[in-house]
Order: sequence, then C-alpha cells, then structure tokens
Amino acid sequence: GEKVEQHESTLSVREGDSAVINCTYTDTASSYFPWYKQEAGKSLHFVIDIRSNVDRKQSQRLTVLLDKKAKRFSLHITATQPEDSAIYFCAASGGTGGLSGKLTFGEGTQVTVIS
Amino acid sequence: GGIITQTPKFLIGQEGQKLTLKCQQNFNHDTMYWYRQDSGKGLRLIYYSITENDLQKGDLSEGYDASREKKSSFSLTVTSAQKNEMAVFLCASSIWGAQDTQYFGPGTRLLVL
Repeated sequence: GEKVEQHESTLSVREGDSAVINCTYTDTASSYFPWYKQEAGKSLHFVIDIRSNVDRKQSQRLTVLLDKKAKRFSLHITATQPEDSAIYFCAASGGTGGLSGKLTFGEGTQVTVIS
Repeated sequence: GGIITQTPKFLIGQEGQKLTLKCQQNFNHDTMYWYRQDSGKGLRLIYYSITENDLQKGDLSEGYDASREKKSSFSLTVTSAQKNEMAVFLCASSIWGAQDTQYFGPGTRLLVL
C-alpha cells in the first residue's frame, strides 16, 4: 500500500522567515495530496491541498509544490507568524479516489516559529 | 458549517475490557473515518464507512470493530483493551471520499490501566 514519508520531524524558523516541509510517497497512482495542521492540544484541520493535474497551488502564505516524477510534494510557508507553530501532516490518497480509497498520512512535522 | 462531536473525551479502561467510542457529525457527509494517533506518530486509519451500514477496514483494524448505524453516527469498539495502551482516537468525515477535505472531531483520549 501507499507509504508517505515526512522528512523533517521538527523545524524551527525565525518569525518572518520561510519554512519548507518535504514529503515523499510511493504509489504512482496517488493523485490527491492534502496538508493538515494540528495546533497544541487541538485536533487536525485542513490547510491546503493539491491534485495531480497541477504542480503548484498557492493560498495566501501557503504554497504546495508537486513533483510527480520524483513522487515528492512540499509545503512552503512564507512570512511565518507565531500562529503558524503547529504540527503539520502531509497525506496522499492511494489512487482509487472518489467514493473509495483512503488517505495515508506522514508522521508530522513540528514547526516552531521563534519570535 | 457543521460539527463533529466525539464521546467520551477521556476514556480510562482496564486490560481486557471492551470499550466503545462514539462519533456524530451534522455535515450530512457520506464518509466517516476512525483514526488512531499515537504520540510522535502520524494518523493510522482503523475503519472507514462510505455510507450507512457500510464498513471498510483500514490499516489498523485488528483489535477493533466499528458500526455505522446511521449516516450521522459512527462508533468504534476496542474489543480487548491492551494494558498500558495510550492513544488518541480521531473521528473524521468527508462529503464523499478520500479525495475530499476531511473534517476532524476533537478526539477521545484512551488510557488503559
């Protein structure tokens, strides 16, 4: 089955700098790649996603890049703020999509923004 | 908007006990999920359900049962709690399937003595 590896387990950045989190996946049929954020003591919520028909998607300070050849995708956070401090999870959908299929999550990256 | 509620918030059980966790959503979503989150690890899918009375096994289904009695509710049973087990169980729902945004509940924290 699909395996998702999240390369950075922790990441510290100075406020205002950029942060990049990298993930790789194994299933070439995967076509949907969301990112979720978990703030301390809270549950997960969706932040941004990308589908395999594009290689870049931006939403305000967040950009996701997808390299299908390398089976790699990344989350870029620009102009980081203290409220960006959280655990970020990448995920991939195992190619079946639609009604069936499931998300496979990476192990999470703890991002800490230092003021 | 909608909300997902999970009960109980905290669950303390004894080794070998059968424990049931409940989840309700008012999004009117078709698909619901149960995940287990262990400290320092990602989420692992236990069961999911694409419609009422449907059940699909995830990667971690052994030791668990699930039930989707109606569209809005999805329950998970730990069939025999393991001593010293400690994890957070997260329920989620999505409008259709795995390629739609999942909305997560607040979680149930399990501790087995």
